[in-house]
Amino acid sequence: DQQVKQNSPSLSVQEGRISILNCDYTNSMFDYFLWYKKYPAEGPTFLISISSIKDKNEDGRFTVFLNKSAKHLSLHIVPSQPGDSAVYFCAASARVNSGYSTLTFGKGTMLLVSP
Amino acid sequence: DTGVSQNPRHKITKRGQNVTFRCDPISEHNRLYWYRQTLGQGPEFLTYFQNEAQLEKSRLLSDRFSAERPKGSFSTLEIQRTEQGDSAMYLCASSLSPTRGGNTIYFGEGSWLTVV
Repeated sequence: DQQVKQNSPSLSVQEGRISILNCDYTNSMFDYFLWYKKYPAEGPTFLISISSIKDKNEDGRFTVFLNKSAKHLSLHIVPSQPGDSAVYFCAASARVNSGYSTLTFGKGTMLLVSP
Repeated sequence: DTGVSQNPRHKITKRGQNVTFRCDPISEHNRLYWYRQTLGQGPEFLTYFQNEAQLEKSRLLSDRFSAERPKGSFSTLEIQRTEQGDSAMYLCASSLSPTRGGNTIYFGEGSWLTVV
């Protein structure tokens, strides 16, 4: 049962344009969401996160939007750069007695930004 | 470099052999996690420690897998009697505990295992 879904395996965007990566989740207990970026043969690198008490969080070129009613979040990258080409993972955790549960990841979306 | 450190970065082993991976977390982090990633999948949780206590294990962690964090600092993940299905990238991550404000986990560069 895939609780975090990234339905687009890949996305191609031209340099300078906006990249929009989508993520859906099914577990209504999830209330903290993160995006990670991964280059081949390296570990995931934390990009940006959002708590369920917010609907938007921005950090430079990266903005994450959260729509709790739709159980949907998206990562916007503006403007996209060739160095952004990587696999992007959406992850979620739920509040439990000991704090937060461990992260549940989606399968990732490969972003290719062409010059 | 004060990030999460893993070694070896790559390991090729014959089926049936034992392998051990080591992880050194970010120094002030008291939580340490092991994940596994295979091609086309996101990272899958294996186990985590808070200090030296192993608090949770995934059902992915068969009895051939054992993880330790004896002094609450570095951790080892041992796979006994390796099988070809164990071939994957093994990721270590660390964080502060949530009571200390740690909601984000930080990954190391991973250890690639190939079982031939």
